Amino acid sequence: NAGVTQTPKFRVLKTGQSMTLLCAQDMNHEYMYWYRQDPGMGLRLIHYSVGEGTTAKGEVPDGYNVSRLKKQNFLLGLESAAPSQTSVYFCASSRGTAGNTIYFGEGSWLTVV
Amino acid sequence: AQRVTQPEKLLSVFKGAPVELKCNYSYSGSPELFWYVQYSRQRLQLLLRHISRESIKGFTADLNKGETSFHLKKPFAQEEDSAMYYCALRGYGGSQGNLIFGKGTKLSVKP
Repeated sequence: NAGVTQTPKFRVLKTGQSMTLLCAQDMNHEYMYWYRQDPGMGLRLIHYSVGEGTTAKGEVPDGYNVSRLKKQNFLLGLESAAPSQTSVYFCASSRGTAGNTIYFGEGSWLTVV
Repeated sequence: AQRVTQPEKLLSVFKGAPVELKCNYSYSGSPELFWYVQYSRQRLQLLLRHISRESIKGFTADLNKGETSFHLKKPFAQEEDSAMYYCALRGYGGSQGNLIFGKGTKLSVKP
């Protein structure tokens, strides 16, 4: 019973490098989210998707791109990493909106040097 | 504007003492309120949601619409309760369905 799985769990990048974080869920959920967690800031929404083939910007989308080509996967891309993107990234998914629980992945620790 | 405020960054209590983690919210419509818990370097787990009105691990939370609060309480803290606690809000009828989080309160229960 995997739930929400994120890869990789840890990564160190040099400034300017690119990378993709993969989120996979096996619960057939329509809604998927990417958050970043920073000390003293809580969790902030980067991008989200309300279904396969759809994506939308959240609170802090700059510097990130996303894709939802398959319902079960939600990819978060950093085209040119910056030290300000050093953070813990959490993916989450939900069957729907009101009344539906949002489930989180284990997090991906990203350091940009 | 939608906002969740957790006024305490850190709350430190002794084992067996009562605990109250404060959460206030700002939302123009009818919100869903949640408490999530995050143990060290683990994923966020749903602890409570206001619509279920249940007690999990001895924790309870009551939605007070007049005071726009959703404080988390436990009468006798245990060392294993030490964790980061996040209050979160989601609006009914919204198309996004995402959660808006407070900045979190770190609970430390000392032996």
